[in-house]
Amino acid sequence: EAGVAQSPRYKIIEKRQSVAFWCNPISGHATLYWYQQILGQGPKLLIQFQNNGVVDDSQLPKDRFSAERLKGVDSTLKIQPAKLEDSAVYLCASSLSAGGQYFGPGTRLTVT
Amino acid sequence: GESVGLHLPTLSVQEGDNSIINCAYSNSASDYFIWYKQESGKGPQFIIDIRSNMDKRQGQRVTVLLNKTVKHLSLQIAATQPGDSAVYFCAENTSGTYKYIFGTGTRLKVLA
Repeated sequence: EAGVAQSPRYKIIEKRQSVAFWCNPISGHATLYWYQQILGQGPKLLIQFQNNGVVDDSQLPKDRFSAERLKGVDSTLKIQPAKLEDSAVYLCASSLSAGGQYFGPGTRLTVT
Repeated sequence: GESVGLHLPTLSVQEGDNSIINCAYSNSASDYFIWYKQESGKGPQFIIDIRSNMDKRQGQRVTVLLNKTVKHLSLQIAATQPGDSAVYFCAENTSGTYKYIFGTGTRLKVLA
């Protein structure tokens, strides 16, 4: 079974630029999550989708972050404009039901 | 690869010894708990889970203990191996929410 795929793996941008991350969950997984993991901390949930609907985006900084999951499969997370404090690893995870999540390798974002 | 959790609490154990990693969770309504292992440059990997109707669950070389009275979770790794070196996170969940809250993590270093 293929795992969760993410791209790019690394991205370096200057502050005020925009960036987009892509995630392809495990086939058949209805629930998709985006997390932000700052160095030295545990992952923090940004947004959760159930199929193509948003279940929880309470911790998403909506003035600069946006995410979509068209057709209930792939998802993109965008940051516009980026700030220095957005430097982190962005993890995508998916789950079939109320069980363990499966994580992708993450995208390491550095904002300079 | 990059290092996850440069400033995390660190547990150093000799190869072959048993390791115990502790976690205090925050929500008394949480009823499902997962331990994850995260190696440098990778996403968290599911190790073992436990539901609140149990106080102990065993895996191949791992055991999770749950004490709901004091909201405490522990992960025991038997005969720790060099490949166990990683950052370990606990995550809590409340049934029906599909939302996971991660702890801050512990870095496990296995000494040869």
